[in-house]
Amino acid sequence: GENVEQHPSTLSVQEGDSAVIKCTYSDSASNYFPWYKQELGKRPQLIIDIRSNVGEKKDQRIAVTLNKTAKHFSLHITETQPEDSAVYFCAAATDSWGKFQFGAGTQVVVTP
Amino acid sequence: NAGVTQTPKFQVLKTGQSMTLQCAQDMNHEYMSWYRQDPGMGLRLIHYSVGAGITDQGEVPNGYNVSRSTTEDFPLRLLSAAPSQTSVYFCASSPDRNEQYFGPGTRLTVT
Repeated sequence: GENVEQHPSTLSVQEGDSAVIKCTYSDSASNYFPWYKQELGKRPQLIIDIRSNVGEKKDQRIAVTLNKTAKHFSLHITETQPEDSAVYFCAAATDSWGKFQFGAGTQVVVTP
Repeated sequence: NAGVTQTPKFQVLKTGQSMTLQCAQDMNHEYMSWYRQDPGMGLRLIHYSVGAGITDQGEVPNGYNVSRSTTEDFPLRLLSAAPSQTSVYFCASSPDRNEQYFGPGTRLTVT
């Protein structure tokens, strides 16, 4: 069935370095790809999203790229800071509300 | 605006008990969903609603019921709790089937 795979499951980076998280999806009808950040004990919060008619989107230190042909999309965080430490989830959605699927998450640890 | 609210924050149930997790939103969003979050498995969709009176099953609906009598409220009912339902439950709402606003979550333990 349809699923979203996310890699890596954990990622340790030095403060100031870049972090990259990759997701692949299987449903070719997917057209909306959000990324959520979840701090420990808190709710997931949207940090950036991209739609299928766009290849790249940037917001300050975070960016998302989408390759529809290969069915994968990635989150890039530059100049990482300790407050970037959290679990990050990717997701893929179609026009059908019931097809909103999340990846398993990536635990990012930024060490000073 | 309070956004999306959930009650209770924590709950412990015995196997076989039933209960209702409450979810409410004051943003007049049509779309609402319930997810469960388990370690290493991300968020999995239980049930969703595209408007008052309309609900449908998600990925993991067994053992749960929902109803949507008003735009604001979307309660999730556990019919007969099982240890496998131990999880953190998140309710979410959306204005347009895209960006979702999550509630603070309910941590449920079934013994």
